[in-house]
Amino acid sequence: DAGVTQSPTHLIKTRGQQVTLRCSPISGHKSVSWYQQVLGQGPQFIFQYYEKEERGRGNFPDRFSARQFPNYSSELNVNALLLGDSALYLCASSDKNGRDRYGYTFGSGTRLTVV
Amino acid sequence: DAKTTQPPSMDCAEGRAANLPCNHSTISGNEYVYWYRQIHSQGPQYIIHGLKNNETNEMASLIITEDRKSSTLILPHATLRDTAVYYCIVRGPNTGNQFYFGTGTSLTVIP
Repeated sequence: DAGVTQSPTHLIKTRGQQVTLRCSPISGHKSVSWYQQVLGQGPQFIFQYYEKEERGRGNFPDRFSARQFPNYSSELNVNALLLGDSALYLCASSDKNGRDRYGYTFGSGTRLTVV
Repeated sequence: DAKTTQPPSMDCAEGRAANLPCNHSTISGNEYVYWYRQIHSQGPQYIIHGLKNNETNEMASLIITEDRKSSTLILPHATLRDTAVYYCIVRGPNTGNQFYFGTGTSLTVIP
């Protein structure tokens, strides 16, 4: 069975540009969360979606947005990129609604470099 | 905000048990303790979680103190592939049911 898949695996963008990252959850999973991991730190929560509705938002500026599609895949968009947005972006999926005691399965991430 | 405290790094000899401590003195009664690990450049991997009872699975054991203010993750026979950053996370309604990762413990298994 395929795990959580993210694309692209690596990306280089210029300051001020916009980027879209994609995530396909495990088949049957309806919840998707996005995390940002800056080098040397633990992952930080950005968004959670369940059944195409936003269920949680972390402390990130409005330049960050996301959506979930009917097939439960998700996109994370970041506008007006800054050098500080350089990070590993992780997607995690769960077959529950997030208000439960189950763990999430993470993808391998997209490495974004802003130059 | 992370609600846990972990030592920044630990070493363990290959084949020996690795005991990774975590302090979560402000944990609430309805919050679970989760452990994840992250091998370099990969996504975090779920290990185990528990509420108040000790838990064991094929990967590890989780020992939670009676007052629930601390816990220990035990890898019974550490191998070189267990070298990773281990995150102890408290999760529940008070955290918005999200995972707030701290900086974790970097475990190095030594041959």
